[in-house]
Amino acid sequence: KNQVEQSPQSLIILEGKNCTLQCNYTVSPFSNLRWYKQDTGRGPVSLTIMTFSENTKSNGRYTATLDADTKQSSLHITASQLSDSASYICVVTRGYNKLIFGAGTRLAVHP
Amino acid sequence: DAGVIQSPRHEVTEMGQEVTLRCKPISGHDYLFWYRQTMMRGLELLIYFNNNVPIDDSGMPEDRFSAKMPNASFSTLKIQPSEPRDSAVYFCASSLALIAYQETQYFGPGTRLLVL
Repeated sequence: KNQVEQSPQSLIILEGKNCTLQCNYTVSPFSNLRWYKQDTGRGPVSLTIMTFSENTKSNGRYTATLDADTKQSSLHITASQLSDSASYICVVTRGYNKLIFGAGTRLAVHP
Repeated sequence: DAGVIQSPRHEVTEMGQEVTLRCKPISGHDYLFWYRQTMMRGLELLIYFNNNVPIDDSGMPEDRFSAKMPNASFSTLKIQPSEPRDSAVYFCASSLALIAYQETQYFGPGTRLLVL
């Protein structure tokens, strides 16, 4: 079954700390994987997009990794800031045109 | 560019009424997506268009929902008749491509729909 599972469901960290969000998928055939950040009350904003041949992609303090063999991806946030408080959504494209969404991880960064 | 534009931003209606949501994609983008987001179900893709043609509408919940894209700069999502369980935030997004390496979807601000 084609699924995208994210963990943890929610996370609380202190400002300045690092954290890692997980995304496991069983989607096949795989085309690409994206991470989105969604602030409360706003639309999602793309952070990274990776194809199967890419292992790591960075966007500022955000670093995404992809292991196509184990079908796992992670999003690492370095030196977290209050503005990182948001939901983070993992999306996998199956084949040519099917988007499979994870349920998201809700991150809260506290001062 | 002003980004993806959606209207209205908020809509409150009574059960049984027709609701029409509108979207203007970023100029030059060939793909347009309609999403629904709720606390219970997260973000769901309803339908998407490529060059004004519907490609995948498997996410449309039932016949009460319909979407059109009469031209490259305008799309509508219609719910008729509306039901309380349709209450959600509806997002429109557009992109240059779907699976190309540099593809990015740009989301609009969303329409918050409440059906009483």
